[in-house]
Amino acid sequence: GENVEQHPSTLSVQEGDSAVIKCTYSDSASNYFPWYKQELGKGPQLIIDIRSNVGEKKDQRIAVTLNKTAKHFSLHITETQPEDSAVYFCAANDNSYDKVIFGPGTSLSVIP
Amino acid sequence: ETGVTQSPTHLIKTRGQQVTLRCSSQSGHNTVSWYQQALGQGPQFIFQYYREEENGRGNFPPRFSGLQFPNYSSELNVNALELDDSALYLCASSLDRGLTEAFFGQGTRLTVV
Repeated sequence: GENVEQHPSTLSVQEGDSAVIKCTYSDSASNYFPWYKQELGKGPQLIIDIRSNVGEKKDQRIAVTLNKTAKHFSLHITETQPEDSAVYFCAANDNSYDKVIFGPGTSLSVIP
Repeated sequence: ETGVTQSPTHLIKTRGQQVTLRCSSQSGHNTVSWYQQALGQGPQFIFQYYREEENGRGNFPPRFSGLQFPNYSSELNVNALELDDSALYLCASSLDRGLTEAFFGQGTRLTVV
């Protein structure tokens, strides 16, 4: 089955700087890669997703890149703001079932 | 707000007891997935229901069971609770099965003592 690893586990950046979170996956058949943001006391919220037919997707300050050959994908947040502070999860689908496998998470702190 | 509501928000149970958690999916969504999230970890897939039928199961023992009702709301039942079952239980609904956006509820925090 699919296995997703994520780095770093914690990340602190100054407000206005960029943040990058990197993930790897094991199943070459995976073709859907969502990213979720989880704030304290809340459930995860989808912030962006990418499918295997594209290499990059951008939505305002957030971008995701995908390298299918290397089985890597990354989240880039530019011009970080304090409200970006949260735990971020990458995920990849497991084609055995209609489900996604989550990485262990990255706790992002944006320092004002 | 996602429109997915879970109840109760918090629950304390004794080891060996049984528990039922409830989830109301977003309007129009026919698929519900349940996840267990231990402290400091990512959500772990328990199972998914599509139109009242189980549509996939993760590596959880049979004492974890579920139901989906005709209105697509869902229940997660856990029998013979163990201390390691203490976690945040998340329900997510989606428009259809497959790789569509999943909307999560706020979760139920279960503590087993």
